[in-house]
Formats: sequence, C-alpha cells, structure tokens
Amino acid sequence: DAKTTQPPSMDCAEGRAANLPCNHSTISGNEYVYWYRQIHSQGPQYIIHGLKNNETNEMASLIITEDRKSSTLILPHATLRDTAVYYCIVRVVSGGYNKLIFGAGTRLAVHP
Amino acid sequence: GAVVSQHPSRVICKSGTSVKIECRSLDFQATTMFWYRQFPKKSLMLMATSNEGSKATYEQGVEKDKFLINHASLTLSTLTVTSAHPEDSSFYICSAPRQGAEKLFFGSGTQLSVL
Repeated sequence: DAKTTQPPSMDCAEGRAANLPCNHSTISGNEYVYWYRQIHSQGPQYIIHGLKNNETNEMASLIITEDRKSSTLILPHATLRDTAVYYCIVRVVSGGYNKLIFGAGTRLAVHP
Repeated sequence: GAVVSQHPSRVICKSGTSVKIECRSLDFQATTMFWYRQFPKKSLMLMATSNEGSKATYEQGVEKDKFLINHASLTLSTLTVTSAHPEDSSFYICSAPRQGAEKLFFGSGTQLSVL
C-alpha cells in the first residue's frame, strides 16, 4: 500500500490560508489522493480527492505535483471550526471498492 | 445529511459482556462496509471489511472470534465485540462506499467503554 507522510501538527491564524502538505512518493499511476478530516470524537469528514489534476470544491483546493509524489491541501480562509486532524490518504482498491488506510495525519490548530 | 448511520454512539458495559454496534447505509445499498477502531490521539486502524453474503475479511492481527462481523443486508452491517475487556475500550467507526461515488462515507462512531 502506498504510504503518506504528513507533519504531525500545524498552526494557522484565523482568516489566513492553511496549507497542509503530504508526501506520497510511492504512489502508483492510478491511485487517487484523498483528504479527510476528523473533529474530536466524530467520524471522518470527506474534503476532496484527486488523481493528477488540481481540484477545488466549496471546502478546499488540492494541488498535486506533476510527478504526483506530493500534494497540498489548501483551506483558503481558515476558521476556528477548521481545527481538526487532517488525513492525506492514498486509496487502495479492494474488491472493486475504495479502501482507505489512514496515516497519522496533521493536527491543525486554527487560532484567533 | 448523514448517509451512514451508526448506533449506539456511546456504550458502557461490564467486562465479559458482548456489545453489538450497528452501521446502516441510509439511502444507498452497500455490499461492502469497513470497520475501523481508534485509540485516543491515534489514527484510525482498519479492522475488517464486511461483505454482504459472505465472510468478512479481517486485517492482520485482528481476532475474528473477538470481533464478529455480520453483513445482514445490503444496508446493515454489525460489529459484535464478544466477551469485552477493558483493553477493547476504543472508538469504533464504520464506513461504506456508495457505488458511483468515489468516496467513503463514515458513520459518527461508537465510543465503547468496558468497565
């Protein structure tokens, strides 16, 4: 399984952009990168995913390098409610379905 | 709104008893569901893949006789922690993929405390 590496923690000021990096140097050509976040004592929440093109939705933007060995999740205007653990995951296909193996994640603290 | 419902959200039980956790897909059918456990301040660990109509597939190191999984229908999977002990206390989370969607939907989790 492709593994991901993320910094254990990051800080961000409210209203500023939060840029969360992720290394996935062993990713295969057909493996997607997913980002989820988890707020304390809740189930993970889907944020965004991509294969090789940059992606944007109402929550965030995902920038994937051309060689696909790393990516960055961007929260354009972080709020206090964005404080959570963010997981960068490379999808494994098992039985025809997505199987997500979680790494350690990045604990993002947004402060006033 | 939630598309995967998990129940109960919290359970406290005595050592030696069994506890059943339910995971339901609300508006779609799921032939496969995934069960995770999470210890405090740790990441989610995949325990097993629940398969409708066949046996569950367990990850290495997970005791299948301890954690019984039954995928009773296309919208329901259950995890039973048998003869629970304090070391089984953990946060258990289920997830289900909706066919056609490229993402997993997660339940809200069950906090199990074994006294």
